[in-house]
Amino acid sequence: GAVVSQHPSWVICKSGTSVKIECRSLDFQATTMFWYRQFPKQSLMLMATSNEGSKATYEQGVEKDKFLINHASLTLSTLTVTSAHPEDSSFYICSPQGTGRRGGSTDTQYFGPGTRLTVL
Amino acid sequence: QKEVEQNSGPLSVPEGAIASLNCTYSDRGSQSFFWYRQYSGKSPELIMSIYSNGDKEDGRFTAQLNKASQYVSLLIRDSQPSDSATYLCAVSTGGTSYGKLTFGQGTILTVHP
Repeated sequence: GAVVSQHPSWVICKSGTSVKIECRSLDFQATTMFWYRQFPKQSLMLMATSNEGSKATYEQGVEKDKFLINHASLTLSTLTVTSAHPEDSSFYICSPQGTGRRGGSTDTQYFGPGTRLTVL
Repeated sequence: QKEVEQNSGPLSVPEGAIASLNCTYSDRGSQSFFWYRQYSGKSPELIMSIYSNGDKEDGRFTAQLNKASQYVSLLIRDSQPSDSATYLCAVSTGGTSYGKLTFGQGTILTVHP
């Protein structure tokens, strides 16, 4: 199956700092990237959807100026949490969708391993 | 009303028993339905996808979909302790290309020896 990596796997930062999370699809071309977050003991909530080379579309209630998404290439998308605060502490998970290097669509959902963000 | 709702749980079953997980959804335009398993601290992993009414079996897992009732379920036969996890129901309005997923709140399953 497709391989998706996220970096870092966990991060602890002070309130007010910015944190960048990378999501790489290692063996297929991610034309679309979904970013989810999961607060403790809650389910996954979609934050935003980005298409390669275009601006991201954010879900209601998600601040686009706080959660900056860059999807400049088919193998890399980044989520930057700017001026992080304790309420941003969460598990952030990317989910790419696209085509395999040998063609065909990824009709199977893949999730990255997630990034645990803790803001002190 | 939640868009995707799962039976509240937690659910506890003995090893070897059948675990039954249920999910209802509100959007009649939903076309794709998924069951994920999530272990603590890990990201979800896909167990089953189902797109048309009826049953779909894969090993010990059977997904059932009833679009008229807006209901999807997952049966786990011969439950094992390793099946202990949170099970997430997810729904998409996309076709077989999954698109944006709306998740239920999850049901915690414990299989005890």
